Amino acid sequence: EVQLVESGGGLVQPGRSLRLSCTGSGFTFGDYGMSWVRQAPGKGLEWVSFIRIKAYGGTREYAASVKGRFTISRDDSKSIAYLQLNSLKTEDTAVYYCTREYCTANSCHDAFDLWGQGTMVTVSS
Amino acid sequence: QSVLTQPPSASGAPGQRVTISCSGSSSNIGSNTVNWYQQVPRTAPKLLIYSNNQRPSGVPDRFSGSKSGTSASLAISGLQSEDEAEYYCAGWDDSLKGWVFGGGTKVTVL
Repeated sequence: EVQLVESGGGLVQPGRSLRLSCTGSGFTFGDYGMSWVRQAPGKGLEWVSFIRIKAYGGTREYAASVKGRFTISRDDSKSIAYLQLNSLKTEDTAVYYCTREYCTANSCHDAFDLWGQGTMVTVSS
Repeated sequence: QSVLTQPPSASGAPGQRVTISCSGSSSNIGSNTVNWYQQVPRTAPKLLIYSNNQRPSGVPDRFSGSKSGTSASLAISGLQSEDEAEYYCAGWDDSLKGWVFGGGTKVTVL
């Protein structure tokens, strides 16, 4: 089955760190760009970070709200994408979804076709 | 405040047609493709439309998308009870170098 499974969420104090993991299965993980998208309680979707495939340098992008605090990485040998969350703030409280870039035979489409179930991160003292 | 602007709500009776608008700027919708996602409460979002008007496999043809200039829209025809959900537009923003989402539109089937 083609799926993404996130883990690593939990309750953490402001200023502390957390590492989220996203394990893919049922597809060739290294062929796809991967993103993290979050959703604060009762709010809309917010893109957080993206990492390109190795063939495109594995370069990374970040939303302004997390740049300098969060780091995305990937281990294609294990089919895992990570999101390291440092210097956490209360406003980082959200469900964090791992997503896969939508690619068809010949191109990718700047969209996310596969989503995990999400992992909740609560930042509170 | 979302970069892309959507109406907070829309509604229609079963069988009717509902349209949701999404307004952006030259750095996002004006120069890149638009995607639409459907999110049923307490579940992960689902890709509904990509590249402005393309449906992934398995998405009913009742859902259609269009784009003109810096605006886009999603139409749902033959509205069904299972279409009750939140709908989000999204796309790449060249200035922000990342994806931006609309604030979401809650569709209610009357």
